[in-house]
Amino acid sequence: SQQGEEDPQALSIQEGENATMNCSYKTSINNLQWYRQNSGRGLVHLILIRSNEREKHSGRLRVTLDTSKKSSSLLITASRAADTASYFCAPAFDRDDKIIFGKGTRLHILP
Amino acid sequence: DGGITQSPKYLFRKEGQNVTLSCEQNLNHDAMYWYRQDPGQGLRLIYYSQIVNDFQKGDIAEGYSVSREKKESFPLTVTSAQKNPTAFYLCASTQGGELFFGEGSRLTVL
Repeated sequence: SQQGEEDPQALSIQEGENATMNCSYKTSINNLQWYRQNSGRGLVHLILIRSNEREKHSGRLRVTLDTSKKSSSLLITASRAADTASYFCAPAFDRDDKIIFGKGTRLHILP
Repeated sequence: DGGITQSPKYLFRKEGQNVTLSCEQNLNHDAMYWYRQDPGQGLRLIYYSQIVNDFQKGDIAEGYSVSREKKESFPLTVTSAQKNPTAFYLCASTQGGELFFGEGSRLTVL
């Protein structure tokens, strides 16, 4: 198992702009997941991307995976106030690998 | 509705007391996890269980204990040996892949 490292640690953007967060990891993976956490709440699963996939979409979310660079990015388009949250990535070596989280990216959407 | 339930939501403890946090799931998931989160920080893995009657230590298991006697239940005991127990505790379950989280338990030591 391994943890991802999210970058930047904090990000503030104007409502309506796009937000991009990055995740780097160290060893080969089976899949990588992105989660969101609103303040004081549990984490919510956003997207799982497998190692043989390069891009995945879900609504305003777009996730890319570059296994050669061992990195992933999460793009939120047309940001809204409700997107204010912390975002975490979680790389997994295999399907049953324990999930370890990094420190996350704190996203703040300015009105 | 299927989901994962943590209780209590808030808990206060005096120094030297043990306290047990409850985590119950009705998702029929084999694996369950406990994480600790400190203010402004990420999640750190305390214990996890891939199957009933078995569990493994995570990165910060000292001062904590767990049991997994039933598939749906994975209680966490914060013992008096845990030197800095004030934190937000999150439980999760999975059947491989996506983790489902509870709403957390906030423990404050007075």
